[in-house]
Amino acid sequence: ETGVTQSPTHLIKTRGQQVTLRCSSQSGHNTVSWYQQALGQGPQFIFQYYREEENGRGNFPPRFSGLQFPNYSSELNVNALELDDSALYLCASRMDRGHAEAFFGQGTRLTVV
Amino acid sequence: KQEVTQIPAALSVPEGENLVLNCSFTDSAIYNLQWFRQDPGKGLTSLLLIQSSQREQTSGRLNASLDKSSGRSTLYIAASQPGDSATYLCAVRNQFYFGTGTSLTVIP
Repeated sequence: ETGVTQSPTHLIKTRGQQVTLRCSSQSGHNTVSWYQQALGQGPQFIFQYYREEENGRGNFPPRFSGLQFPNYSSELNVNALELDDSALYLCASRMDRGHAEAFFGQGTRLTVV
Repeated sequence: KQEVTQIPAALSVPEGENLVLNCSFTDSAIYNLQWFRQDPGKGLTSLLLIQSSQREQTSGRLNASLDKSSGRSTLYIAASQPGDSATYLCAVRNQFYFGTGTSLTVIP
């Protein structure tokens, strides 16, 4: 039990649609990161939020966007879904101090058809 | 650009064997290195975190070492059990860069 929860667990969307994935971090963890993991691959860093501001981004287009809220929840939004967006989406939270341990949620499996 | 490599991609061992998993990185500016396990279709479970200034960390049957000069970390699993079967991933630089993982199968 990591204290990080994601919803929904599974989701099926049609190409071109928009999707919102949600994450609830551990209390006190002001840093949240989102990842995309394709089958058989390691997680790819999408972006990171610290105290509601984006402060790091991987090689993902602007149609991937996020929000972080003061109550330790966050969202990943993906617009204009493409078939290649089908993946496991993971969020992770960690404390602010130093280079801290990250705790991951169970992920949301997104299938785009 | 940092690249993280894990070799082998898959490993199968009999129960009770001691084993070593490898993680290599190209840039020594890693801040930290964290090992995870992932069961099929699930999220990541943290195993060990090594800060850049440390050489090793231990938790139960697991021991992780870090050698920044050679760009390498190893995860040692003692007395392997079938329940250890999973994919093991390493990540560096505050979990920004991940390897592709080693899929471990422990045969009863």
